[in-house]
Amino acid sequence: GENVEQHPSTLSVQEGDSAVIKCTYSDSASNYFPWYKQELGKRPQLIIDIRSNVGEKKDQRIAVTLNKTAKHFSLHITETQPEDSAVYFCAVPAGDDYKLSFGAGTTVTVRA
Amino acid sequence: DAGVIQSPRHEVTEMGQEVTLRCKPISGHNSLFWYRQTMMRGLELLIYFNNNVPIDDSGMPEDRFSAKMPNASFSTLKIQPSEPRDSAVYFCASSGTTREQFFGPGTRLTVL
Repeated sequence: GENVEQHPSTLSVQEGDSAVIKCTYSDSASNYFPWYKQELGKRPQLIIDIRSNVGEKKDQRIAVTLNKTAKHFSLHITETQPEDSAVYFCAVPAGDDYKLSFGAGTTVTVRA
Repeated sequence: DAGVIQSPRHEVTEMGQEVTLRCKPISGHNSLFWYRQTMMRGLELLIYFNNNVPIDDSGMPEDRFSAKMPNASFSTLKIQPSEPRDSAVYFCASSGTTREQFFGPGTRLTVL
């Protein structure tokens, strides 16, 4: 399946600072790049996604950037708040169908 | 919309027993996924159905695991016999035409 690497595995930031998580993938045909957030004890939920025809997408304090040439995409969280503490997963399509390959996850801790 | 429904939410059983996990996808979604999540292995795709047909079961760990989708509104994941290493959170997810996967609340399985 599609190989996706996610870094860092853990990230601790001061409240109000920014957090950036990066994922790299191997299949240049990938055209859909979602990010999921999983709070402790809860289910993963989609927070933002981007398709290959745009380079950046923003939704309030979160944004995703895509570099198709370098085959990586990043999640940016600005003005972090305690409720941003969670595990974040990137994902890429695994083949032509609707499967996704998920990254290993990044545990983000926002320090008050 | 009730979202993806899973039952039971928690299951504690003894090694060797049969375990059946249940999932009701979102109405109108034609893709259904079973995932297993552990600290060591992260979020693993076990099997994927499209229009009630199993498309990819390459993630099913071994013959002790089986999954069925008899109709568009119901799927089961069965483990027989269960082993302690099967202890994990099992998520069911469904998706429609947008590729976004909606996860159920998960079933926390503990095999003693």
